[in-house]
Amino acid sequence: AQTVTQSQPEMSVQEAETVTLSCTYDTSESDYYLFWYKQPPSRQMILVIRQEAYKQQNATENRFSVNFQKAAKSFSLKISDSQLGDAAMYFCAYRRSSGNTPLVFGKGTRLSVIA
Amino acid sequence: KAGVTQTPRYLIKTRGQQVTLSCSPISGHRSVSWYQQTPGQGLQFLFEYFSETQRNKGNFPGRFSGRQFSNSRSEMNVSTLELGDSALYLCASSLNRDRGNSPLHFGNGTRLTVT
Repeated sequence: AQTVTQSQPEMSVQEAETVTLSCTYDTSESDYYLFWYKQPPSRQMILVIRQEAYKQQNATENRFSVNFQKAAKSFSLKISDSQLGDAAMYFCAYRRSSGNTPLVFGKGTRLSVIA
Repeated sequence: KAGVTQTPRYLIKTRGQQVTLSCSPISGHRSVSWYQQTPGQGLQFLFEYFSETQRNKGNFPGRFSGRQFSNSRSEMNVSTLELGDSALYLCASSLNRDRGNSPLHFGNGTRLTVT
């Protein structure tokens, strides 16, 4: 079974600084998708960024980028120029590319942004 | 376009009672998934429906059940509530159930408290 591990339960960052959240996963599949979701106090999970395993290029969405290391099964999220609104729980998630399989989530990292 | 709508937002029930939660997906989305979120276990997959058929089920007891209607709206039911069922229940919809990269769009969740 696939597992997703986020080893940092909590992190903090100064406003305008850069922070990296870690995620590792375990799978025997070669084709899959990885996601980072953000859950603010409003509780709604919001998709931040996604990466297709067959693409070597790291995904980027404005201030958010990933460092995808397929051989190491690592998928970290970098937030640049951190803003107060970035404070939230961040979840790393995995999904097989084929078939009907659910998202598998990590336990999450709570990010605090210090003004 | 309206997002995923879950009702009610909060619910307080007593042990032994049953509860029904509702989810209206984004218009045009035919896949609806349910997740249970607790501080200890994180996000755990309950089940997924596509075109009124349950296509996948997580490792939950039979007290947890669901259904999907012809308009793609979904309900989940928990019978004989236990204290451990207290959780945030998240519903997510997606466009295409067979593609791993079809992102899930989440609702704000229903916070269930069992006393």
